[in-house]
Amino acid sequence: SQQGEEDPQALSIQEGENATMNCSYKTSINNLQWYRQNSGRGLVHLILIRSNEREKHSGRLRVTLDTSKKSSSLLITASRAADTASYFCATVPSGSARQLTFGSGTQLTVLP
Amino acid sequence: EADIYQTPRYLVIGTGKKITLECSQTMGHDKMYWYQQDPGMELHLIHYSYGVNSTEKGDLSSESTVSRIRTEHFPLTLESARPSHTSQYLCASSREGPSTDTQYFGPGTRLTVL
Repeated sequence: SQQGEEDPQALSIQEGENATMNCSYKTSINNLQWYRQNSGRGLVHLILIRSNEREKHSGRLRVTLDTSKKSSSLLITASRAADTASYFCATVPSGSARQLTFGSGTQLTVLP
Repeated sequence: EADIYQTPRYLVIGTGKKITLECSQTMGHDKMYWYQQDPGMELHLIHYSYGVNSTEKGDLSSESTVSRIRTEHFPLTLESARPSHTSQYLCASSREGPSTDTQYFGPGTRLTVL
């Protein structure tokens, strides 16, 4: 069964607005990561947050992690048309062979 | 930009053909992975390797096979392609040691089997 599930499945916003995507997972984790995928391309790592961290920033990205709710959110501030892509969360379960398990992704469209 | 490469980028072949998807990385990473991804869907791990001569099957059963004879090279082979193998195949790598969980992805190979 899927470890991570993103919500919403698709999101369409205007340039300049903020975009928030959520991820829920089922088992305890070592860390959670967010990746971005442009259409037909490979994934690019955006940010990693460890289980003992609650919030992390990287440029216009802000990630939160709530281990009690087994959920994470990715906030992209002041979105740009170039942010249009699919965003995936991926988890490394605690005590595992440290393999990533990906969610189904959120398709973000930023309209100019 | 990650130094991980996949060829071909696109492949359209007929049923029954043998194919090999190439993946190579120049980062010296010990760990390499193959994922299968259908359009708009999540990635599924089909093979991984933690070093030379080490290969394991992933969560998703696959009829493909892999080999790891050199650190930088992790090819995936389908002995007899079928339409059900039509998908995108993504190769990734990560390094050994602390903070090793970040994976670097190649651009993918989009395979269509007619």
